[in-house]
Amino acid sequence: KQEVTQIPAALSVPEGENLVLNCSFTDSAIYNLQWFRQDPGKGLTSLLLIQSSQREQTSGRLNASLDKSSGRSTLYIAASQPGDSATYLCAVGGMNRDDKIIFGKGTRLHILP
Amino acid sequence: NAGVTQTPKFQVLKTGQSMTLQCAQDMNHNSMYWYRQDPGMGLRLIYYSASEGTTDKGEVPNGYNVSRLNKREFSLRLESAAPSQTSVYFCASATSGGLVGRFHTQYFGPGTRLTVL
Repeated sequence: KQEVTQIPAALSVPEGENLVLNCSFTDSAIYNLQWFRQDPGKGLTSLLLIQSSQREQTSGRLNASLDKSSGRSTLYIAASQPGDSATYLCAVGGMNRDDKIIFGKGTRLHILP
Repeated sequence: NAGVTQTPKFQVLKTGQSMTLQCAQDMNHNSMYWYRQDPGMGLRLIYYSASEGTTDKGEVPNGYNVSRLNKREFSLRLESAAPSQTSVYFCASATSGGLVGRFHTQYFGPGTRLTVL
């Protein structure tokens, strides 16, 4: 059964720093992986989607990488800003009929002004 | 372009009452999803609909029923609410690769905060 883990659960960094958020999964037979952002009391906003055949995707200051063989994805945020403060979640989708969509529990990021 | 909308935003029920959560999307997506989000448990898939007229169970379907009324609308019904169903419920939609795990970019609604007393 697929398990998705995000460590650490919470992270505080000073404004302007570059940072990396981690997502690990136990079954490498994934279809794709998606990173989301969730603000308090709000829904999820899609940030980046990586297909299983891709190694990375970029959008503005965000870069997501995927290493299926090691069961890891990272979300790199460059030049962090207070507005980046939110919870970041990853979700993986499986290849097979019985596979579902599995979310990690998220990393709560706080950017210190 | 409203994206994914959900009603109501908040609801308080007593144990045993029933209610239906409504979801609609205007992006012409084939696939729609219902999730619940609980502290310490993360987001879990309740039900999934790959296309109009089809529905499939997710991780935690017990105590829920769904209806894919048409391509735009996907409702979630609690027939006899229990305190364990206190949660935040999210609807999402996406273009689809067919199987539930083969999703494309998912778009989420703002959520319904449900309390069952």
